[in-house]
Amino acid sequence: GENVEQHPSTLSVQEGDSAVIKCTYSDSASNYFPWYKQELGKRPQLIIDIRSNVGEKKDQRIAVTLNKTAKHFSLHITETQPEDSAVYFCAACPTGGGNKLTFGTGTQLKVEL
Amino acid sequence: DSGVTQTPKHLITATGQRVTLRCSPRSGDLSVYWYQQSLDQGLQFLIQYYNGEERAKGNILERFSAQQFPDLHSELNLSSLELGDSALYFCASSAPSGRGSGNTIYFGEGSWLTVV
Repeated sequence: GENVEQHPSTLSVQEGDSAVIKCTYSDSASNYFPWYKQELGKRPQLIIDIRSNVGEKKDQRIAVTLNKTAKHFSLHITETQPEDSAVYFCAACPTGGGNKLTFGTGTQLKVEL
Repeated sequence: DSGVTQTPKHLITATGQRVTLRCSPRSGDLSVYWYQQSLDQGLQFLIQYYNGEERAKGNILERFSAQQFPDLHSELNLSSLELGDSALYFCASSAPSGRGSGNTIYFGEGSWLTVV
């Protein structure tokens, strides 16, 4: 089955700096890679996703890049703000996998003033 | 609001007991997923149903079972509860998929289960 590794487990940045979270996946058949943000005690919320036919996708301060050859994808947050502080999860979904997501272990992002 | 409804929001029960968690997917969604999130843990996939049938199974214990009913709501049954079962249980749903994958999964607010 699919295995997703996520790094770092914790990340602390100064407000206004950029944050980068990286994930690798094992199943070359994976073709859908969403990123979820989870605030303490709340539900995970989709913030951006990318499909395997695209190398990069951007939405305002958030961008995701995908390298299929290396089987890794990254989340980039620019101009970080205190409200970006949360746990971020990457996930991968294989073709024909029935939409079953395998999640990474999460990154606790803290944006300091 | 994701449109996925879960009840109860909080539940405290004793070891050895049985509980049922309920989930109503977003209108029109046929797939329902259950995930377990323990303290300081990631999201562990338990099971998926699609239009009433089991589609995929993850690390779901034999003490746990689930089903999806004709009206598409789902229930997760947890029995012979142990202290380690204390966790946040999420239900999620996604739109019909012709085949394959890649549909956005929307999570409910979760059910906090505390086993004492």
